[in-house]
Amino acid sequence: QVQVQQWGEGLLKPSETLSLTCGVYGGSFTEYYWSWIRQPPGEGLEWIGEISHNGRTNYNPSLESRVTILVDSSKNHFSLKLRSVTAADAALYYCATSDSLNYADYWGQGTLVTVSS
Amino acid sequence: EVVLTQSPATLSLSPGERATLSCRTSQSVSLYLAWYQQKPGQAPRLLIYDASTRATGVPARFSGSGSGTDFTLTISSLEPEDFAVYYCLQRSNWPLTFGGGTKVDIK
Repeated sequence: QVQVQQWGEGLLKPSETLSLTCGVYGGSFTEYYWSWIRQPPGEGLEWIGEISHNGRTNYNPSLESRVTILVDSSKNHFSLKLRSVTAADAALYYCATSDSLNYADYWGQGTLVTVSS
Repeated sequence: EVVLTQSPATLSLSPGERATLSCRTSQSVSLYLAWYQQKPGQAPRLLIYDASTRATGVPARFSGSGSGTDFTLTISSLEPEDFAVYYCLQRSNWPLTFGGGTKVDIK
């Protein structure tokens, strides 16, 4: 059974770096995309970026200057770093992936990130 | 960036009724469109991908259609568990973009 677990610091101060990690267990996820999506409270979904099985990254241009997504295929882990956070970055952050599609069908439980001084 | 416009924003229906949700894209995305369902406190769930293919385990009452710029998600007969928010997503062009969502609530 596939499990997706994510972890990381949920309370940040302005200008700090958000750092989250996602672990995918129980399947082979090396062929498709590993993605990060966020959702501000009460709002819709925003795609942050993704990394493909061959290491190619694609980022949302609105965040590209501050975002890095990395993958460690040997551990089935991938990570998100978002630098210089502000209150506008407060949201529920999800990791997501697939073992057979170009669309995310396995999602983490979400990490609520709060930014406050 | 491809803009996705979902309508209506809210759809108020009764169990057993048919729901028709629309997603229009600002430029053609061919068939590279998916539909997700999100319930309160839960992560989104993939329902439909490539415009019309049901994801594993998705009931047959959910169907997707369309191509190019106009897409539709149809729920043939609403079950109580179908009341949720539905988002479309395009992955024809980077950045991937989501629609603003349609909330299907109980009338």
